[in-house]
Amino acid sequence: NAGVTQTPKFRVLKTGQSMTLLCAQDMNHEYMYWYRQDPGMGLRLIHYSVGEGTTAKGEVPDGYNVSRLKKQNFLLGLESAAPSQTSVYFCASSYPGAAAEAFFGQGTRLTVV
Amino acid sequence: GEDVEQSLFLSVREGDSSVINCTYTDSSSTYLYWYKQEPGAGLQLLTYIFSNMDMKQDQRLTVLLNKKDKHLSLRIADTQTGDSAIYFCAEPSGGYQKVTFGTGTKLQVIP
Repeated sequence: NAGVTQTPKFRVLKTGQSMTLLCAQDMNHEYMYWYRQDPGMGLRLIHYSVGEGTTAKGEVPDGYNVSRLKKQNFLLGLESAAPSQTSVYFCASSYPGAAAEAFFGQGTRLTVV
Repeated sequence: GEDVEQSLFLSVREGDSSVINCTYTDSSSTYLYWYKQEPGAGLQLLTYIFSNMDMKQDQRLTVLLNKKDKHLSLRIADTQTGDSAIYFCAEPSGGYQKVTFGTGTKLQVIP
């Protein structure tokens, strides 16, 4: 099983450009999450989804949008990238109520110049 | 949200014990967790402790919980170079729909 797969793994954007990060999981998990990881700040939750067609805001949602059209996919969009969005982004998925036992993807390193 | 605090960096010699500390803020947390992030990888759940326990031991890992002071620690005995990683403590939030992570402690093991 592939588990949680994120694409792309690396990306450099210019300020103002848009892009979409794709997360795919093959474990039939209901819950999916997008986090960003910054030095000294741990992982912060951007958005999450508790089922197909549903999304909710996390701790740092501003500047991001998400969609969960299919159960296995969770997309994170940046409409107009800013240097403050330079970060490593992680997707994760879990069974309901088991956020602490989530499976994580390998991460996407995004640089906004 | 709740703040979960950790020291940023710890350096130990191979074979010594490592102690990573964490201060959490939600006294109602039923479980508390430790995760390990190896270089270039996502997080993996390492161990956890139920809030009615003071200590949990799992091979080289010992978790200590002081609920009065909201202090959690992870002790790694006989630290190996393969233990070099970032360690995060975490507590559940949002009715177990979410997890709040600490700031992370980077453990460097010197051969």
